[in-house]
Amino acid sequence: AQTVTQSQPEMSVQEAETVTLSCTYDTSENNYYLFWYKQPPSRQMILVIRQEAYKQQNATENRFSVNFQKAAKSFSLKISDSQLGDTAMYFCAFTPSNSGYALNFGKGTSLLVTP
Amino acid sequence: GAGVSQTPSNKVTEKGKYVELRCDPISGHTALYWYRQSLGQGPEFLIYFQGTGAADDSGLPNDRFFAVRPEGSVSTLKIQRTERGDSAVYLCASSLTVDQETQYFGPGTRLLVL
Repeated sequence: AQTVTQSQPEMSVQEAETVTLSCTYDTSENNYYLFWYKQPPSRQMILVIRQEAYKQQNATENRFSVNFQKAAKSFSLKISDSQLGDTAMYFCAFTPSNSGYALNFGKGTSLLVTP
Repeated sequence: GAGVSQTPSNKVTEKGKYVELRCDPISGHTALYWYRQSLGQGPEFLIYFQGTGAADDSGLPNDRFFAVRPEGSVSTLKIQRTERGDSAVYLCASSLTVDQETQYFGPGTRLLVL
C-alpha cells in the first residue's frame, strides 16, 4: 500500500517570506508521480506543481519549487515570496505509474499567510 | 475553456434517502475520477472511468454507492439509503487520458445527511 504523510497540520508565514511544507511517502514502486495541490476555502483543488520520479531535476513553477529526495522518499514544497492569496490547504499526492491512476493524498497542511 | 463542474454545490438529505451527484468533465477529457473528502482529511479515491466503463471501482465503500458515465462525458454518483457517515465533500476530477495526465478538479458537492 502507498501512504502519504504530511507531518505539519498547520503552518504560518509572513507575507514575502519563504515557507517549506513537508511530505513523505511510502512506496515500493520505482516510477511514480508526485503532486502538490492547493485547496482554498472555495474547495476547488488547484494543481500547484508536479514531479515525475524518473526526473532528477526538481520541478519549479514561478514562486513554487520542490525538493524531491527519491532515496529518502521526501517531496517538500517551497513557497517563495509568500502572498496573502497563498493561504489555503496544501495537499501532497502520489500516484504509481503502473497500477491504477488514483491519487493518494496526505491529510494536508493548512497554510496561513499573514500581513 | 470551462473547467470541471459539479452539481449541486450543496445537498442536504435525510438518512435513508437516495441522492445523485453530477459531474461535467472538461470537454474532451476521457478519464473521470470521483473522490470523497471527509472533514479534516485529504480526498480518498472512489472510482475512475476511462470512457464509458468503470476501470477501477475499488474505492467505493459499499454497494450503496454506484456511478455511471453512459456517454463517456457526464458522470453521476448515486448513493442509496444514505447514512450520516456519508456526509462529506464529493470531488470529481478529469484528465485528458488516464495515462498519468494531470487531474483537474471540480469545486465539489458538499453532502450533508441529517
